[in-house]
Amino acid sequence: SQQGEEDPQALSIQEGENATMNCSYKTSINNLQWYRQNSGRGLVHLILIRSNEREKHSGRLRVTLDTSKKSSSLLITASRAADTASYFCATPPLFASGGSYIPTFGRGTSLIVHP
Amino acid sequence: EPEVTQTPSHQVTQMGQEVILRCVPISNHLYFYWYRQILGQKVEFLVSFYNNEISEKSEIFDDQFSVERPDGSNFTLKIRSTKLEDSAMYFCASPGPGADTQYFGPGTRLTVL
Repeated sequence: SQQGEEDPQALSIQEGENATMNCSYKTSINNLQWYRQNSGRGLVHLILIRSNEREKHSGRLRVTLDTSKKSSSLLITASRAADTASYFCATPPLFASGGSYIPTFGRGTSLIVHP
Repeated sequence: EPEVTQTPSHQVTQMGQEVILRCVPISNHLYFYWYRQILGQKVEFLVSFYNNEISEKSEIFDDQFSVERPDGSNFTLKIRSTKLEDSAMYFCASPGPGADTQYFGPGTRLTVL
C-alpha cells in the first residue's frame, strides 16, 4: 500500500513555537503531498515535494523528504492559532488505467496551537 | 484559488432512504473524484469519473453507490439505500495544478439515523 501514516496523531503547542509532523510510507513514490483540513471542512493542498527533491519551502512551511527512509516531515515555523487543523500526507499511486493520480491519505496529525 | 462547491452542506436522512449529493467541480476538467471521511478517520477514495464514465473505484464503492453527470456542470453521488455506517463527510475534488494534486470541495456531512 502507498498509504502515508502521520505521526504524532495529536500535537499541542503554544503560539510562536514550531510544529513538526512526520509521515511514513511503504513503497516508492513519485511525489508526496501535504494537505490541511480545518474542522468540518475539505482538504486544502499545501505543498508537493517530488521524489528527487530533499527539501522544499513555502512561506512558514518546510517539507523534507527522505526516500531512503520512506519518510517526510512538515515543519510549521512560528505557529499561529489559525494553524490549528489536521494535517495529512498523501502519496498518490498511478493507477494503470486512465492515468489519474489518486492520493491515498493517512489518518492525519491533529495540531492545536494555543494563543 | 479555483473553487469546488458542494450541496447540501448537511444532509440528515433515515436509514434505507436514498440520498443525492451534488458537486460542481472546476470547469473544463474531465476528471473528478469522490471521497468520504468517517468522523475522526482518514479520507478514503470512493470513485473517479472521467469523461462521463467511472475511471476507478474502491471496494467501498459498492452497488448502492452511483455517480452521474446530469448536466454539463453538475455531478452527483447517489446512495440508494443508506445505512448507519454511511454517516460521514463526502468530498468531491477536481484535479489541481499539474494533475498530481486536487482541489477539494467543502464537503457534505451525511447523517443517517
